[in-house]
Amino acid sequence: GAGVSQSPRYKVAKRGQDVALRCDPISGHVSLFWYQQALGQGPEFLTYFQNEAQLDKSGLPSDRFFAERPEGSVSTLKIQRTQQEDSAVYLCASSFGYRGTGGSDGGYTFGSGTRLTVV
Amino acid sequence: GQQLNQSPQSMFIQEGEDVSMNCTSSSIFNTWLWYKQDPGEGPVLLIALYKAGELTSNGRLTAQFGITRKDSFLNISASIPSDVGIYFCAGPSEGAQKLVFGQGTRLTINP
Repeated sequence: GAGVSQSPRYKVAKRGQDVALRCDPISGHVSLFWYQQALGQGPEFLTYFQNEAQLDKSGLPSDRFFAERPEGSVSTLKIQRTQQEDSAVYLCASSFGYRGTGGSDGGYTFGSGTRLTVV
Repeated sequence: GQQLNQSPQSMFIQEGEDVSMNCTSSSIFNTWLWYKQDPGEGPVLLIALYKAGELTSNGRLTAQFGITRKDSFLNISASIPSDVGIYFCAGPSEGAQKLVFGQGTRLTINP
């Protein structure tokens, strides 16, 4: 597609419920990133995929958070037993190269995010 | 870990005014990126800086990579209503693919 697509755009979950957030990166983009953005803050890194391999999951806040990208394209971020502190915007980004942060290609393209509210 | 501090946190200006914001870090960054985020959207890259001392323009936007590699500045000239939004600086975390973001500068323009 023309851009990074995320769904759903909004999700309201009851505390304790499991949720799954989907990211469709730009076709052919090798690198895929998930970020969490709390209200009034900058995005914070969660995890990074290079094709289907999850190379960095150091930002996942707990073992309730799980991400996958089984065929190297679409990615899903799953949060189990949601808690109120999980309420945030979850942003997905992709980049063509193996480095998302440099080069003349400008790095990442972000999706519009999924706003998760846990009540 | 590495942190980026942006100032000011918010700005309220009149249309047509020039804007200046900055970003500082206690550690060195080898790349500085400036993003703009509109409500309900993801951040969009405005300017990328790759060399200490570099000054780069994109239309009415100008950004500089500080000589010490610990700071960067973004200037917007002759602001217009569509400049409203949140501006983030970001840089690659040392030895990793991920980006570290500042907390943002929220720009509000009075027509």
